[in-house]
Amino acid sequence: QTVVTQEPSFSVSPGGTVTLTCGLSSGSVSSSHYPSWYQQTPGQAPRTLIYRTNARSSGVPDRFSGSILGNKAALTITGAQADDESDYHCVLYMGSGISVFGGGTKVTVL
Amino acid sequence: EVQLLESGGSLVQPGGSLKLSCAASGFTFSNYAMTWVRQAPGKGLEWVALIGDSGGSTFYADTVKGRFTISRDNSKNTLYLQMNSLRAEDTAIYYCAKQLWSAHFFDYWGQGALVTVSS
Repeated sequence: QTVVTQEPSFSVSPGGTVTLTCGLSSGSVSSSHYPSWYQQTPGQAPRTLIYRTNARSSGVPDRFSGSILGNKAALTITGAQADDESDYHCVLYMGSGISVFGGGTKVTVL
Repeated sequence: EVQLLESGGSLVQPGGSLKLSCAASGFTFSNYAMTWVRQAPGKGLEWVALIGDSGGSTFYADTVKGRFTISRDNSKNTLYLQMNSLRAEDTAIYYCAKQLWSAHFFDYWGQGALVTVSS
C-alpha cells in the first residue's frame, strides 16, 4: 500500500524560509505524480496553493513555490508571514484515477 | 464565482446508510470531473472517490470501495455520495471538490458536511 509522507510539523520565524516535503514510502516522486499542495486553517476548507508540481493557483502569493527536490515534491515558503501558520497537505496522483494525500504538515510561525 | 455546497451530513448508526449531495454553481458542471475528500477529526485529508465529467468513470479509495458510490446528475448540477455499511472510522467532514482531470488536482472546494457514525 502506497504511503505519502510529510513532516508532521515545522516551525519558521517571521520572514524566514521553510521547505516542506512530500515523499513516497517506496520510490521517488516525479512530475508524473502531478504533486499538488493545499493550505488549511482550523475549521476551514482547504485552499489550493500549487498544482502540477510548481504552478501557483490563482491569487496565491509568489512566496509559495513548488518543486521536485531529490526524490520528493517540495513546497517552499519564502518570507513567511504570520497568516501562513496553517496545515499544509500534499497529494500525489498514483494513476488509474487514484490520488493519495500525505498526513499533512503543521507549520507554526514564531 | 464557483460555489460548491454540501448537504446531507448527520449522525448515523454503525451499519447505516447516508447520502451526501453537493450542489455546484458558477461553472459548467458537466465539463468537469468531481471528487470527494474526507477529513476525520484531528486527522489529515483522505481522497475518497472520483467521477468523470459524464459519470461514466468512477474510482474509489480501497477504504470505501464496495460500500460507497459516487454519482452525479448533470441536469441538476449535483454530485452525490451514497454511503452504505457505515463504520465509526467513516466519521469525518466530507468535502466535495472540482477536479481538473488533466492536471489531477482539486481547484475548488466546498465547505464540507459532517458525518458522524456512532450508536
